[in-house]
Amino acid sequence: EDKVVQSPLSLVVHEGDTVTLNCSYEVTNFRSLLWYKQEKKAPTFLFMLTSSGIEKKSGRLSSILDKKELFSILNITATQTGDSAIYLCAVEGGVRKTSGSRLTFGEGTQLTVNP
Amino acid sequence: DTEVTQTPKHLVMGMTNKKSLKCEQHMGHRAMYWYKQKAKKPPELMFVYSYEKLSINESVPSRFSPECPNSSLLNLHLHALQPEDSALYLCASSQVLGRRYGYTFGSGTRLTVV
Repeated sequence: EDKVVQSPLSLVVHEGDTVTLNCSYEVTNFRSLLWYKQEKKAPTFLFMLTSSGIEKKSGRLSSILDKKELFSILNITATQTGDSAIYLCAVEGGVRKTSGSRLTFGEGTQLTVNP
Repeated sequence: DTEVTQTPKHLVMGMTNKKSLKCEQHMGHRAMYWYKQKAKKPPELMFVYSYEKLSINESVPSRFSPECPNSSLLNLHLHALQPEDSALYLCASSQVLGRRYGYTFGSGTRLTVV
């Protein structure tokens, strides 16, 4: 059974702090690892990682994947109150490339950024 | 159009009712998904459609019946639900191959079964 474990489950910081969120996984037929931000409704896509050691960046957010050690981190620098959300890590596995695939989500990290 | 549209946004139904949730996308994605999300829990996969054919059913009870009438539409028919089925139901879509941009989720339907 595919498994995704995120840590910490909850984090409270002050504006301007830097945070690191962790995601470890076990999955058969690994295809990719995805990070999402969820506020009130739908998860919004942040990053998709398929190759080890290549950092993806988007503004103050960055992420990297280690396929040997089976984990990923999401970094947020100079945090703002608008970064407060649940950050979900999901791993994509599948049976066949043409069958669609299943995303297995971790429990999420609840990030609260205080002014 | 880079959105997945779900209707209705909220639904309250009795245990003997029949209702349907609808999902639509016009991004040319040929894989579509239903996820269920309970409060303070991550989304859990229910069904996957690939090229309008059901490819994954995660042992979902038969009171949930998915349908993919064409490449842009995905429905979830509900019948004889239980109060524990109350949750946020999320639809998502993706390319089947080369999913460079991941999955796009709709805003969900908040379902309450009374």
